[in-house]
Amino acid sequence: EAGVAQSPRYKIIEKRQSVAFWCNPISGHATLYWYQQILGQGPKLLIQFQNNGVVDDSQLPKDRFSAERLKGVDSTLKIQPAKLEDSAVYLCASSLSGASTYEQYFGPGTRLTVT
Amino acid sequence: QKEVEQDPGPLSVPEGAIVSLNCTYSNSAFQYFMWYRQYSRKGPELLMYTYSSGNKEDGRFTAQVDKSSKYISLFIRDSQPSDSATYLCAMKRWETSYDKVIFGPGTSLSVIP
Repeated sequence: EAGVAQSPRYKIIEKRQSVAFWCNPISGHATLYWYQQILGQGPKLLIQFQNNGVVDDSQLPKDRFSAERLKGVDSTLKIQPAKLEDSAVYLCASSLSGASTYEQYFGPGTRLTVT
Repeated sequence: QKEVEQDPGPLSVPEGAIVSLNCTYSNSAFQYFMWYRQYSRKGPELLMYTYSSGNKEDGRFTAQVDKSSKYISLFIRDSQPSDSATYLCAMKRWETSYDKVIFGPGTSLSVIP
């Protein structure tokens, strides 16, 4: 079974530039998550999709971050314009849906450095 | 108060030691309790999960949940250098129409040969 794919793996940009990350979840997984993980901290949920729809984006800085999930499969996360504090690893994860499911499968992450 | 708190690290132990990793939570609505392991420059991977108070054992790992005290632990017996990683506790509750998962901040563990 193929895992969660993310690209790029690394990105360095200057502040005020824009950047986009791509995620391809495990086939058949209805739920997709984007997390921000700052060095030394746990993953912080930015947005959660259930199929095509957003179920939780309460911690997404909507003035600069946006995300979409195309046809309930792939997803992109965009930052525009980037700030220094956006330097972090951006993790994508997917899972089956349902109250009894518990496992999220994570991709390797995209390490973003904003200079 | 954060919903999920975790013992701060880093933790450094000699090979063969017993390791105890701990988390507390404030919301009694959490129903599932997970431990993820994250190696450097990798995504987290599920190590263990449980949904009831008590102990659950899997090889050298034991997950313990005490819902009355809102406290969970992960014990690692006969720790190995390959156990060196960051350990994240995670908890899931039901939010109207979807599952909400909250991760703890993580504890970094180093097992010294």
